[in-house]
Parts: sequence; structure tokens; C-alpha cells
Amino acid sequence: KAGVTQTPRYLIKTRGQQVTLSCSPISGHRSVSWYQQTPGQGLQFLFEYFSETQRNKGNFPGRFSGRQFSNSRSEMNVSTLELGDSALYLCASSSDGATEAFFGQGTRLTVV
Amino acid sequence: AQTVTQSQPEMSVQEAETVTLSCTYDTSESDYYLFWYKQPPSRQMILVIRQEAYKQQNATENRFSVNFQKAAKSFSLKISDSQLGDAAMYFCAYRRAGIRNTPLVFGKGTRLSVIA
Repeated sequence: KAGVTQTPRYLIKTRGQQVTLSCSPISGHRSVSWYQQTPGQGLQFLFEYFSETQRNKGNFPGRFSGRQFSNSRSEMNVSTLELGDSALYLCASSSDGATEAFFGQGTRLTVV
Repeated sequence: AQTVTQSQPEMSVQEAETVTLSCTYDTSESDYYLFWYKQPPSRQMILVIRQEAYKQQNATENRFSVNFQKAAKSFSLKISDSQLGDAAMYFCAYRRAGIRNTPLVFGKGTRLSVIA
């Protein structure tokens, strides 16, 4: 079974631009969660999507948004990028009600 | 709000020796799950071991075992017979139990070095 796939692996963007990250979950998993990882703040929850609906949301500004498609693939969008948005963005997929989450390799976003 | 604390930013262990990584958490919930994840330089978070709070028996997975002390809200990871491939960041994580998935709350991590 294929694991969680995130694309692209690396991105460099300029302040003020927007960016879209993609995540394909494990086949059969309908829950996709996004986390931001930075050296200062550690791992922080962004949001979770299940069956195309946002079910949980972390404490991030509205510049961070996401969506999920009918095939469970999810995209995360960050608008008006700031230097502080530079981070590793991790996607995790789960079966609903499952205890564990399986992570992708992440997208390293650098904002210059 | 739930919090997870890992008090050891860095640890080192000799190859083939045993090391214990510490984790404490704070929650008012009675039903939850605890996890240890490993993040090697490849950046992918890999699940090492999980523990259900309602189970008194400590979880084990090959060379990895936990010491779960529910009353003390402590959840340490013991790695036996350490190998070079164990070198990584280790994150302790908490998830409230429920019918619907709940977010993982992570500690800041412990960087483990394995010395040959």
C-alpha cells in the first residue's frame, strides 16, 4: 500500500506570494490533517479534513486554508506569504476513529 | 488545553546500550492515546509505538517499550540495544480519544544521537 505522498518536496517563494501544497493520503483513508513544523514553535496543528469537510481547525490566521477533494486528496493554501511561514508542512492521514496517523515526508517551504 | 513536555532536548547513547526518553503530559481527559514518533533526517514522521490510556499494560514493539504512568501523567520511551539507525528526533504526542479523529499534540522533541 502506498504511503502518504506530499508534493512538492521543496518550495521557495517570495513574500506576498501565495502557495499551494498537495497531499495524497493512504488509500482508504478519508481523514487528512496538516501540521506546521518550525524550530521555534515545534509541531502545530493547522486543520483536518474529512469527506471534503473541515472538521477541526488550529489557531492559525485565515491566510491558511485548505480543501479536500472527493478522492480524499487535500491541498493547503497559504496566501500573502510572510517570512515566518517558512516551515516544514506535514500531512497525515488516518482512518476515521483510528488511533494513529501516518505522515508524509513533508514540504519544505522557504519564504524569502 | 492539553500539553506535552519533553524535558530532554538532546540525548546520546552508545551503540548496543539502552536509553530512556522522557515525556510528561497534562490533560483532564480520562480516555486518550499516547504516541512516540521518530523523525530521521529524511523528515518523515514514523510511528514508533502507541499506548491506549485505558490499558494498564505497557506497550512494546521489538526493541522499543514504554513506561506509562497514568497517575503521574508520564510516558517514557525505552530503546534497548540501540542501533545507528535509531539516531533521529523523537516526538511524544497525545491525542484525545473519540469517535472522530482529534488533533495530535506534540512535545518539542528530543534529538537522539547514537555513538558507534
